Amino acid sequence: NAGVTQTPKFRILKIGQSMTLQCTQDMNHNYMYWYRQDPGMGLKLIYYSVGAGITDKGEVPNGYNVSRSTTEDFPLRLELAAPSQTSVYFCASSYHRTGGEKLFFGSGTQLSVL
Amino acid sequence: KNEVEQSPQNLTAQEGEFITINCSYSVGISALHWLQQHPGGGIVSLFMLSSGKKKHGRLIATINIQEKHSSLHITASHPRDSAVYICAVRKKLTFGTGTRLTIIP
Repeated sequence: NAGVTQTPKFRILKIGQSMTLQCTQDMNHNYMYWYRQDPGMGLKLIYYSVGAGITDKGEVPNGYNVSRSTTEDFPLRLELAAPSQTSVYFCASSYHRTGGEKLFFGSGTQLSVL
Repeated sequence: KNEVEQSPQNLTAQEGEFITINCSYSVGISALHWLQQHPGGGIVSLFMLSSGKKKHGRLIATINIQEKHSSLHITASHPRDSAVYICAVRKKLTFGTGTRLTIIP
């Protein structure tokens, strides 16, 4: 299993440009998440999904969109990039079972908007 | 006030010392996670707790639901334990800001 795969690892955008951060997992997890991590701050939830076709907003959804057409893929779309979206982005997935939940994280995408 | 507070924010210790990192939360939760973020940025799940205590190697995690408090202990600390340790509580998964641990050989 590859786990959670995020691409790209690094990206520089100009203000107003658009891009999609890709996230895929091969563990058949229902739950998937997108977080951003700003320096000195905790991870903030952008969007999450509890299964294919179902998405919901997290704490900081403005400026982002997601879709979940398959169990494996959960792309994050930035439509009009702004400097405030400069951050490190993490995708995660989890399964829930008796006794708890196990979280798996992608390696992160460092995004700079200039 | 953040829903999840960690202390200390930074901790430097000598190799071999016993380490304690604390996490307090203000909301009702169903579970609490401890995560480790390495200097390269990767995040690894260490524990998920809903009650009591869990142990994995030199790592021990405890939780007191009534007091809304959890601790992560590292016995016989080693330089490879140097990382940021993050507590997260399960509602929509709210994260603390992390504790940066540095172990000096």
